[in-house]
Amino acid sequence: GENVEQHPSTLSVQEGDSAVIKCTYSDSASNYFPWYKQELGKRPQLIIDIRSNVGEKKDQRIAVTLNKTAKHFSLHITETQPEDSAVYFCAASIMGGGFKTIFGAGTRLFVKA
Amino acid sequence: DTGVSQDPRHKITKRGQNVTFRCDPISEHNRLYWYRQTLGQGPEFLTYFQNEAQLEKSRLLSDRFSAERPKGSFSTLEIQRTEQGDSAMYLCASSLTLETSEQFFGPGTRLTVL
Repeated sequence: GENVEQHPSTLSVQEGDSAVIKCTYSDSASNYFPWYKQELGKRPQLIIDIRSNVGEKKDQRIAVTLNKTAKHFSLHITETQPEDSAVYFCAASIMGGGFKTIFGAGTRLFVKA
Repeated sequence: DTGVSQDPRHKITKRGQNVTFRCDPISEHNRLYWYRQTLGQGPEFLTYFQNEAQLEKSRLLSDRFSAERPKGSFSTLEIQRTEQGDSAMYLCASSLTLETSEQFFGPGTRLTVL
């Protein structure tokens, strides 16, 4: 069945360092990969997304890369700040398939000041 | 507030009771999703609607769960004969029908089954 695995489950970095979160997906039909950030007690919010016809996308300090062959995609946060501390979820879905979205288990990121 | 709203925000019930949750999506959004989230996990897909049509339901969802969106606007999720394992945060999200469309999440309903 459809599955998204996410690693690591917890990540602690020093302010200013980079953070990388990796995900793999099982359904080769997946072609849309959003990333959500969930702060404590709040709802998930989209921070960046990528379609399968693109290998990389960047938005200021955040970038996402996609390797369709290996079914891997990653989130890169550079120059981390304490406000980046949150749980990050990767997800995989199928455009045109109603966007049934399968989420990873999440990565809790701690940015130490 | 023009975001997704959910009611109630918290529900405590006894095992065996029925509960119903409501979700009001962003008004122009025609897709609506229900997810369940337990501590330390990502949102787990339950079901989704395009307008009033329920297009997919998770195979993990037992027959005790039912969802409706009768007029293509708000949606309800009912759980019958609740079990302790149903305790979780139930999240609703809505989106437009576009090729890549952000899902906007509601604040969730936290269910505790005693």
